[in-house]
Amino acid sequence: GENVEQHPSTLSVQEGDSAVIKCTYSDSASNYFPWYKQELGKRPQLIIDIRSNVGEKKDQRIAVTLNKTAKHFSLHITETQPEDSAVYFCASGDSGGYQKVTFGTGTKLQVIP
Amino acid sequence: DVKVTQSSRYLVKRTGEKVFLECVQDMDHENMFWYRQDPGLGLRLIYFSYDVKMKEKGDIPEGYSVSREKKERFSLILESASTNQTSMYLCASGAGGASYNEQFFGPGTRLTVL
Repeated sequence: GENVEQHPSTLSVQEGDSAVIKCTYSDSASNYFPWYKQELGKRPQLIIDIRSNVGEKKDQRIAVTLNKTAKHFSLHITETQPEDSAVYFCASGDSGGYQKVTFGTGTKLQVIP
Repeated sequence: DVKVTQSSRYLVKRTGEKVFLECVQDMDHENMFWYRQDPGLGLRLIYFSYDVKMKEKGDIPEGYSVSREKKERFSLILESASTNQTSMYLCASGAGGASYNEQFFGPGTRLTVL
């Protein structure tokens, strides 16, 4: 089955700095890569996703890049703010309509004011 | 607005008890999922269902079973609870189909098995 590795497990940045979280996946058939954010005590929520026909996608201060050849994708958060503090999960999924994805182990991001 | 609810936020059970965790979604979603969340291990898929009465094993199905008798409801069953099943359990649903849609999560049930 699919294996998703995520690094780092924890990340502390100063407010205003950038944060980068990296993930690798094993199944070359995977073609959907979502990122979820889970604030303390709350449910995970999708913040951005990318499909394999796209190399980069941006949404305001967040962006995701995908390198299918190397089987890795990354989340970039610029101008970090305290409300960005959360656990971030990457995931990858194969083709098909069942939406089955495999999640990474999570990165706890702390933004220090 | 999608709403996914779970029957309990906190649950305490004893070893050997049969445990039912219920999940209900109100958006007519085809797909429903059960995950467990443990520190350092992320979200691990236990079972998922893509239609009424249809189910597929996820990555860690041992010790669990599921039931989907109605489209909106997906139940996770621990036939004989054990202490290593103490965890946070998250249910999710998604629209399914040919495109890839987000999964909408419930608030979670923190289960403690004594």
